[in-house]
Amino acid sequence: DQQVKQNSPSLSVQEGRISILNCDYTNSMFDYFLWYKKYPAEGPTFLISISSIKDKNEDGRFTVFLNKSAKHLSLHIVPSQPGDSAVYFCAASAWANNLFFGTGTRLTVIP
Amino acid sequence: DGGITQSPKYLFRKEGQNVTLSCEQNLNHDAMYWYRQDPGQGLRLIYYSQIVNDFQKGDIAEGYSVSREKKESFPLTVTSAQKNPTAFYLCASSTWTRGDYGYTFGSGTRLTVV
Repeated sequence: DQQVKQNSPSLSVQEGRISILNCDYTNSMFDYFLWYKKYPAEGPTFLISISSIKDKNEDGRFTVFLNKSAKHLSLHIVPSQPGDSAVYFCAASAWANNLFFGTGTRLTVIP
Repeated sequence: DGGITQSPKYLFRKEGQNVTLSCEQNLNHDAMYWYRQDPGQGLRLIYYSQIVNDFQKGDIAEGYSVSREKKESFPLTVTSAQKNPTAFYLCASSTWTRGDYGYTFGSGTRLTVV
């Protein structure tokens, strides 16, 4: 059973606009959440993380929001740039155990 | 620079053959992982190892084997028992550092059965 879900397999956004990628999870024991970015034929690279004691973490153009009651997190990218086009995976862990990954969302930023 | 090296980048295997994918890290990370990526299925865990000489099965371990004789190395063997081995394989390592936890991934190996 998929404990981390990304229900949108793809998203297209105009350059300069906001991209919002969503992720839902089912395990209430998850206490650490991460977003990874992946280009074709490459390994994922870490983007941003958030622990369950926070509801927002910001790093430049990237902000992650966590809603624990809804078991939902989202990644906001603003402004979106063509170089942001990639597959984004959300991931979650409980007490630093193995990460559980979502199925990914392919973001396309249109120039 | 520290990192994870996977080799080869592309690998072709004939049906019935075993092949071994290499994964080496110089990050001094304790834990290492193998994932498989198929289109539309995200990353699925094959095997993981928290310490040397110990490893555990992940969600899709059938048809695969691993060893962890050194902290730096975690090779994956795709055996002939794996019915659908064509995929993109990713190795990762992890540790807790200054309260941050996450995986560092290699650049992957694409395996194709011919």
